[in-house]
Amino acid sequence: NAGVTQTPKFQVLKTGQSMTLQCAQDMNHNSMYWYRQDPGMGLRLIYYSASEGTTDKGEVPNGYNVSRLNKREFSLRLESAAPSQTSVYFCASSEAGRGTGELFFGEGSRLTVL
Amino acid sequence: QKEVEQNSGPLSVPEGAIASLNCTYSDRGSQSFFWYRQYSGKSPELIMFIYSNGDKEDGRFTAQLNKASQYVSLLIRDSQPSDSATYLCAVNGPSNTGKLIFGQGTTLQVKP
Repeated sequence: NAGVTQTPKFQVLKTGQSMTLQCAQDMNHNSMYWYRQDPGMGLRLIYYSASEGTTDKGEVPNGYNVSRLNKREFSLRLESAAPSQTSVYFCASSEAGRGTGELFFGEGSRLTVL
Repeated sequence: QKEVEQNSGPLSVPEGAIASLNCTYSDRGSQSFFWYRQYSGKSPELIMFIYSNGDKEDGRFTAQLNKASQYVSLLIRDSQPSDSATYLCAVNGPSNTGKLIFGQGTTLQVKP
């Protein structure tokens, strides 16, 4: 059982380049999330999708776009990368509204923008 | 003011002691509260959740919630070196979408 799978795990970009982080979950969860984690900042929500076909902004959406491709997949795109976007990115999924509301996280994607 | 605040630490306790981790939140409408543990270089994992005022115990862990004071804490009894990690407090808003807002985390060091 793979859970939440993120790709790539590591990426180095130059300022201005674009890239897409991919995320897929096999737990049939309705809700999916993208967080970024910087030292001393905890996890900050970038975008989330409460269900297939919907997306909403989180705390730090500027510079990012998302696509909920289907129930399994939720991608995060950086159109023009900036050094301030150097971070570790986590995708997560949950059965929001039922159960514990527990988030299941992927292993993270470490992005460096030079 | 951040929505969820924690002391970043590090909090250092000797092995066998009680570690007390604290968290405050700003949204009075928040309904559910979570503690996640994150080992260095790993992803967060849920260790406790609490919805009602009072205490909730699970093994060596006790979560405490005081909604009037907008305060949630985590007690770890008989702390072990393997408990050394960053502990993240997370709060779910009143709409219960599962949209969790995290604090900055408290680093716990348990010294043998």
